[in-house]
Amino acid sequence: GQQVMQIPQYQHVQEGEDFTTYCNSSTTLSNIQWYKQRPGGHPVFLIQLVKSGEVKKQKRLTFQFGEAKKNSSLHITATQTTDVGTYFCAGPVNSGYALNFGKGTSLLVTP
Amino acid sequence: NAGVTQTPKFQVLKTGQSMTLQCAQDMNHEYMSWYRQDPGMGLRLIHYSVGAGITDQGEVPNGYNVSRSTTEDFPLRLLSAAPSQTSVYFCASSLGQGVPDTQYFGPGTRLTVL
Repeated sequence: GQQVMQIPQYQHVQEGEDFTTYCNSSTTLSNIQWYKQRPGGHPVFLIQLVKSGEVKKQKRLTFQFGEAKKNSSLHITATQTTDVGTYFCAGPVNSGYALNFGKGTSLLVTP
Repeated sequence: NAGVTQTPKFQVLKTGQSMTLQCAQDMNHEYMSWYRQDPGMGLRLIHYSVGAGITDQGEVPNGYNVSRSTTEDFPLRLLSAAPSQTSVYFCASSLGQGVPDTQYFGPGTRLTVL
């Protein structure tokens, strides 16, 4: 079945440094979604990418979907302490009825 | 709208006990799912439903039952709790159409099985 892998598992940065997490799927994805989970909280939707080679920006966050639609990345420029949390990518299961999540990248930002 | 609600927030069970985790949404979403989250394992899909009366298994369905008698509710039943089911359980719902098809998560139920 489809497997979604994320690296790194953990990342510790100083405030102001950049951060990138990578997501790779064993199969071609129709779309990919990204979620953020704050410590003790629940996952919250960030964005969905659909098109091959798509790039979307949300303020300091840049999301990319690979040309082959098998990989994706999330890049945060100049991290802030509010960026702390775990970032998950997820691909659709069975025509999108549910999601298959990667294991996530936990980001720690120290001031 | 309350969004996705889950009860209880915390639960401690003894091995062999049964219980039902409740999930409800008031957004008229067709798709609902249950995930469990364990340290270092991400979110794993247990069961999902594409509408009232229709359910299917996800990646880790063993030991869990679901039913979907209404659009709003999607309870998760643990038939005979085991320590391996100690986890945080999240319910999610989505409209099932459009881009983006956002999944909205409930606050979670933290379950400990002794």
